[in-house]
Formats: sequence, C-alpha cells, structure tokens
Amino acid sequence: AQSVTQLDSHVSVSEGTPVLLRCNYSSSYSPSLFWYVQHPNKGLQLLLKYTSAATLVKGINGFEAEFKKSETSFHLTKPSAHMSDAAEYFCVVSERRSNYQLIWGAGTKLIIKP
Amino acid sequence: NAGVTQTPKFRILKIGQSMTLQCTQDMNHNYMYWYRQDPGMGLKLIYYSVGAGITDKGEVPNGYNVSRSTTEDFPLRLELAAPSQTSVYFCASSHDTLNNSPLHFGNGTRLTVT
Repeated sequence: AQSVTQLDSHVSVSEGTPVLLRCNYSSSYSPSLFWYVQHPNKGLQLLLKYTSAATLVKGINGFEAEFKKSETSFHLTKPSAHMSDAAEYFCVVSERRSNYQLIWGAGTKLIIKP
Repeated sequence: NAGVTQTPKFRILKIGQSMTLQCTQDMNHNYMYWYRQDPGMGLKLIYYSVGAGITDKGEVPNGYNVSRSTTEDFPLRLELAAPSQTSVYFCASSHDTLNNSPLHFGNGTRLTVT
C-alpha cells in the first residue's frame, strides 16, 4: 500500500536561508511523486512532479526536489527562502497503476522569519 | 479564464440539513474531483469523475453524492449533514490522468456542521 510521511509539521527559517521540507514515501510499484503548495485561504498549486525521468526535478519559484529510491525520499529544497514562500506544502504519491488516486501527506507549514 | 470556481466560500449547517457545494470549470477538463481537507491531515478523495455521465467513489464517499451532467459542472451533495462533515472541501480538475496532468484546484468551501 502507498503512504506518505512528511517528517515535520512546521518548519521555520529566516528569509534568505535554505529551505528543506522532508518527505518519505512507501510504494509497491514505481511511483509518481508531487509537491503541491497551498497559500493561506487559497487552493493548491502544483510545484513540481517526478515521473521517472531525471531524479532531480526543478519546479516553480526556485524549488527543486530529488527522488532517492534507496532512501524512499523526495525532499523539497530551495537555496534561499523568500517571505512569499510562507505556505503549507504537501508531498503526494501516485502509483502508475492508479490513475485517479493520490495519497497526500499531512502537510508541512513553512514559516519565514524576517 | 476563471479556472475552477467553487461556491459558496463558507457555510454553516445544522445537523440533518442538506446542501449542495457547487463546482464549475472552464478549461474543458474531462477529469474532476472532490476532496476534503481536515486539520493536520492530507486531502482525502471523496468522489471523482472521468467525464460527463461517469462518477465513481473515492476514499471517503459516505454521506455524499455527486452528479456530472455536463463537462463543466460537478456538484457535491450532502443529504444529512453531520458534525463529522465539518471540513474544507476542494474541487479540482485535470486535463488527463493524474500521472500525466496536474490538478487545478478551486479556492475551497469551508463547511461547519453544528
């Protein structure tokens, strides 16, 4: 069965410092992996996705994530945080045989300190 | 181009009342979804549709019904509201299956049942 664990419910960083949001997954088959972002009182937006091409995936707003099969991880990073990055981030997994079902992590709230 | 539009934004229901959450999209997407988001948890799929006239249950369908008479509209019906249905509801659509196409979300409906 698929599952997703986001290791931190909250992450607080200072503006201009690196961001690391951690995600581990379990999947019986080759997974597709996604990161979505939710700004306050808004819907969710796709940041980036991994679907078996390059293991380092670049997304919007300077974010990237690396798929590490041996560690079953898909951590999200950004070299330098900006105040506008404050939001909730969701790691999501989908198995290739399941076209309609996504398994969502519980979310990590990113707090940016000025 | 409005994308995915949900109405209402907020609603308070008494136990046993019924209501319909409206969702419409103008992107001509075949695939539409209803999710609920509870505090500290990831999104859970309630129902989905792969095209007009076709709907199917997701992970948590009990207490809800849907219909898909047109490509644009995918309303969610609560027949006998219960406190357990207090949640934020998101409608989403996609052009293709979830492994090939990102989800486009509405801004959500915050429902309280008391």
